[in-house]
Amino acid sequence: EDQVTQSPEALRLQEGESSSLNCSYTVSGLRGLFWYRQDPGKGPEFLFTLYSAGEEKEKERLKATLTKKESFLHITAPKPEDSATYLCAVQASGNEKLTFGTGTRLTIIP
Amino acid sequence: NAGVTQTPKFQVLKTGQSMTLQCAQDMNHNSMYWYRQDPGMGLRLIYYSASEGTTDKGEVPNGYNVSRLNKREFSLRLESAAPSQTSVYFCASSGDRARLGYTFGSGTRLTVV
Repeated sequence: EDQVTQSPEALRLQEGESSSLNCSYTVSGLRGLFWYRQDPGKGPEFLFTLYSAGEEKEKERLKATLTKKESFLHITAPKPEDSATYLCAVQASGNEKLTFGTGTRLTIIP
Repeated sequence: NAGVTQTPKFQVLKTGQSMTLQCAQDMNHNSMYWYRQDPGMGLRLIYYSASEGTTDKGEVPNGYNVSRLNKREFSLRLESAAPSQTSVYFCASSGDRARLGYTFGSGTRLTVV
C-alpha cells in the first residue's frame, strides 16, 4: 500500500525566514511525486512533478527536491502570500491514482 | 476559463436525504476523480473513472455511487446521507496518465445533520 507522510503538520515562520517541508513516501515503483498548494476554501493547485531521484524543480521562492525515500519543499525568504497548506502526493507505476499526504499548514508572519 | 467546475459549493442535508454532486471539466481529460477531504485525514479517493463509460472504487466508496455521463461530466451521488459523510468533496481530472497531476475543482462543502 502506498503511503505518504508529511512533516511538520504546521509551521510558522517570520517573513524572510527560510525553511523546508518534508514528504516521506513508500510506493511500489514511483512514477511521479507531486506538490500542491491549497488555500483555505479552495481546491489544491498544482506546483511541481518530480520523476526521479536527484531531480529538482523551482518556482519563485519554492524549490522541490527528490530522493528515493523523500521529497523536500524548500521555501526561501518567504512572504505572507506563501501562507497555505502544502500537499504531497505520489503516483505508482502503472497507476493514474494519486495518494496524498495530510499536508503541512504553513503560516508566514509579517 | 478552462478547468473543473463543481456544483453546488455548499449544501446542508438531513440524515437520510439524497443528493448528487455535479462535476464538469473542459480540458478534454480522460480521467476524473472524486475525493473527500477531512481534517487530519487528507484527501481520500472515493471513486474514479479512467475513461468514459468506466468507473472504479477508490479507498472509501461505501455510501456513494458515481456516473460518468460523458467525457466531460462525472457525478457523485449520496443515496441516503449520514453524518459521517460531512466533508469537503473535490472533483479532479487528469490527462496523459496524470503526468502533470490533477486539476481540481473548488470543492463542495457538505454538512449532514
